Amino acid sequence: AQTVTQSQPEMSVQEAETVTLSCTYDTSESDYYLFWYKQPPSRQMILVIRQEAYKQQNATENRFSVNFQKAAKSFSLKISDSQLGDAAMYFCAYRSDNQGGKLIFGQGTELSVKP
Amino acid sequence: GAVVSQHPSWVICKSGTSVKIECRSLDFQATTMFWYRQFPKQSLMLMATSNEGSKATYEQGVEKDKFLINHASLTLSTLTVTSAHPEDSSFYICSARRSQMAPLHFGNGTRLTVT
Repeated sequence: AQTVTQSQPEMSVQEAETVTLSCTYDTSESDYYLFWYKQPPSRQMILVIRQEAYKQQNATENRFSVNFQKAAKSFSLKISDSQLGDAAMYFCAYRSDNQGGKLIFGQGTELSVKP
Repeated sequence: GAVVSQHPSWVICKSGTSVKIECRSLDFQATTMFWYRQFPKQSLMLMATSNEGSKATYEQGVEKDKFLINHASLTLSTLTVTSAHPEDSSFYICSARRSQMAPLHFGNGTRLTVT
């Protein structure tokens, strides 16, 4: 079974600085998708960034970028120029269409941003 | 963008009663909906996958007779918590997608408190 692991329960970053959140996963499949979701105190799930496993190029969305290492099964999220509004729970997630397309989430990392 | 509406946002019920949570896709037809449960400071745990017109597929350890899922139309799935107990108190989140390759869209969640 696929698993997703986030080994950092909490992280802290100074406003305007850069922070990296770690995520590793375990799968025997070659075709899958990886995601980072943000969950602010409102509990609404917000998609931050998405990566297709077949793409070698790392995905980027404005201040958010990933470091996707397929062989190492690693998928870290880098947040540049951190803003107060970035404070939230961040979940790494895995999806494979062979498993009905369901999302499997990591444990989450709570990010705090210091002014 | 695609909108998923979940109702109610919060509900309090007495132990032993049943409560129904609705998940609606407002501007698209959802072939598949997923129901998640989230305890405070924890990750989203998939409870079941709901496909329109067929029986839901439950994850291991989830009691299908306690958590009744109905996906009678392409825009509505319901989760009924039967004979609720205080340990069922949690945050329930649904998500929906148009097709297998389409992205998932999340509802705002329902906070259930059983007294």
